[in-house]
Amino acid sequence: GDSVTQMEGPVTLSEEAFLTINCTYTATGYPSLFWYVQYPGEGLQLLLKATKADDKGSNKGFEATYRKETTSFHLEKGSVQVSDSAVYFCALGENNDMRFGAGTRLTVKP
Amino acid sequence: GAVVSQHPSWVICKSGTSVKIECRSLDFQATTMFWYRQFPKQSLMLMATSNEGSKATYEQGVEKDKFLINHASLTLSTLTVTSAHPEDSSFYICSALALTTDTQYFGPGTRLTVL
Repeated sequence: GDSVTQMEGPVTLSEEAFLTINCTYTATGYPSLFWYVQYPGEGLQLLLKATKADDKGSNKGFEATYRKETTSFHLEKGSVQVSDSAVYFCALGENNDMRFGAGTRLTVKP
Repeated sequence: GAVVSQHPSWVICKSGTSVKIECRSLDFQATTMFWYRQFPKQSLMLMATSNEGSKATYEQGVEKDKFLINHASLTLSTLTVTSAHPEDSSFYICSALALTTDTQYFGPGTRLTVL
């Protein structure tokens, strides 16, 4: 079945460093791809999404591009902040059938 | 933005007892809500899809008689873990689908510990 694999954490970066969290997917069709973020003590929040190949989702300085040729949806940010510390989940599917990755914990140190 | 709440946020119970978890969409109506289970350092696993006014649809391997789901209104779904056992200890997360934005909004989760 459809699934996503994302890089294991934890990831620890210094403030203003470049961030990449890798996510690859396996799917029989062409699902939408998502990144969710979970801040401590809060629920998952949609960070960005892309619905078709070559689409780029972006929000709050984060970007991810739907790459069909490499079946990837890597999350990037050019300059992370301490407030970006959270757990990030890659997901695929449609709203009635979502598949999540295991999550990657990011800690940004000042 | 759309907010989903869960109650309680954490609960400890004795083996053999039942626990009810509530999921509420606070500022929007949701005909569809979802229940997930998350084990430590693992991804969210969909347990069931809850539709208002009808029976929930359970994922393969999820016992419907053990995990009772009721979606009685457009803003409330409940998950009852019946005759809980230590292996049911987990983090339970609900989400609600907002039709206006076609987006799932997630609750903060409920941590269940069964002694």
